[in-house]
Amino acid sequence: ETGVTQSPTHLIKTRGQQVTLRCSSQSGHNTVSWYQQALGQGPQFIFQYYREEENGRGNFPPRFSGLQFPNYSSELNVNALELDDSALYLCASSRFQGTTQETQYFGPGTRLLVL
Amino acid sequence: EDKVVQSPLSLVVHEGDTVTLNCSYEVTNFRSLLWYKQEKKAPTFLFMLTSSGIEKKSGRLSSILDKKELFSILNITATQTGDSAVYLCAVLNYGGSQGNLIFGKGTKLSVKP
Repeated sequence: ETGVTQSPTHLIKTRGQQVTLRCSSQSGHNTVSWYQQALGQGPQFIFQYYREEENGRGNFPPRFSGLQFPNYSSELNVNALELDDSALYLCASSRFQGTTQETQYFGPGTRLLVL
Repeated sequence: EDKVVQSPLSLVVHEGDTVTLNCSYEVTNFRSLLWYKQEKKAPTFLFMLTSSGIEKKSGRLSSILDKKELFSILNITATQTGDSAVYLCAVLNYGGSQGNLIFGKGTKLSVKP
C-alpha cells in the first residue's frame, strides 16, 4: 500500500451540486496530481499542484478547481456537477526534485456518482 | 495529439500461461513510461522505464522499452489467478507541467484456474 489517502471513498450527488474531494500525500512527497477515470477508460489528467500552485492542467473546464496546502495535502473541487462527472477520482503524489519528478503513487480513489 | 495505445484491450488465459501486453505511444515530451496494475481502485506501480533496451524484472513480471519504435511490452510468465487485473501503461509527459501521466485504456487480463 502507498501512503496516499483519499476521502471520502464514495459519494452520491445530484446535478448542479458542488463536491470537494480530499487527498493526503505520501510522506516526503511535494507534488499532487489529480486524475479522472471513467468506467472502462484509463485515468485522465485533471491538474497538478506543486508548492501550493497549479502547475499544469489537462483538458478540464474551470469548474474543476483545486488547492494544495502547506503540508502538501490537496483538495479537488467540482462545481455545477454534471452526469458525466460520475467517475473514479484518483490522487497521485510524487516528489519533484530539481528537474526530475519521481514515480507517482496513487491513492485508493473516490467513487463519485452524479444523479 | 499525444496518445498511448494498449493492446489487446482484454485477454483471457489459463493459469501457467505466459502473456505479453503491448503499449505504443506518441508523446511529444516523453520522459519515461510506466506500468501500473489496477485491481479494484488504486493503480499500483509496477515499473518505470526510461532507457531503451534495458529489461526490468520483478518476479514473474518483466518489461522493456523501445524508444526508437515507441513501444513497450509487459510480460507475465506462469500466470496466476492473482494476476487478474487491468494493466495500465502510462507515459510521463513533461509538456506544460512537471510531469503528468498520459494513460492508455488498459488491458483487462483474466486468468482462469
